[in-house]
Amino acid sequence: ETGVTQTPRHLVMGMTNKKSLKCEQHLGHNAMYWYKQSAKKPLELMFVYSLEERVENNSVPSRFSPECPNSSHLFLHLHTLQPEDSALYLCASSKPGQGITEAFFGQGTRLTVV
Amino acid sequence: AQSVSQHNHHVILSEAASLELGCNYSYGGTVNLFWYVQYPGQHLQLLLKYFSGDPLVKGIKGFEAEFIKSKFSFNLRKPSVQWSDTAEYFCAVNAYSSNTGKLIFGQGTTLQVKP
Repeated sequence: ETGVTQTPRHLVMGMTNKKSLKCEQHLGHNAMYWYKQSAKKPLELMFVYSLEERVENNSVPSRFSPECPNSSHLFLHLHTLQPEDSALYLCASSKPGQGITEAFFGQGTRLTVV
Repeated sequence: AQSVSQHNHHVILSEAASLELGCNYSYGGTVNLFWYVQYPGQHLQLLLKYFSGDPLVKGIKGFEAEFIKSKFSFNLRKPSVQWSDTAEYFCAVNAYSSNTGKLIFGQGTTLQVKP
């Protein structure tokens, strides 16, 4: 248990579906992140939220839409995905700027797009 | 742009063998460095980290890593591996100038330890 909880753990969706991934942390962290983990590739940073404001978007297609309603919750809204979007999506949180701490990761959502 | 390179993609060792996994990064400024481990079916967890001070850092489960600034390297070592060390290992870097705490990861090394 890392203190970062992701739901659902597994998700299968069609290319025309709309779904959302949820991430929750109660560690008092003020930064949250979405990463994509695909086979044979480095973890790709998708989005960074700092103090609930999106501060980084790494050229992620618009079919991925993040939302951070408060410092404890982070969502990733998905619509009209492609099969190549199948991957493990990881959420992480940290508390940078105060003696930079390491990032704590959730267990991920295994997404399969059919 | 920052990048991290891990030299070994797949390593197979017998129990009690020594381990060294290479990691190099590209960034000219001050960095914070991390090694994470991902056991099968589990979340990424921190093995060790370097922020400042002694360049030889010790982590959990007998792992250590050495920061060599002149070589932009942060290699991970363990004198004697166990079957339970079978996992994927990731090196990551955070640019100190970044106030977002974002981590840039290498592509990972899969370690398989044979009993």
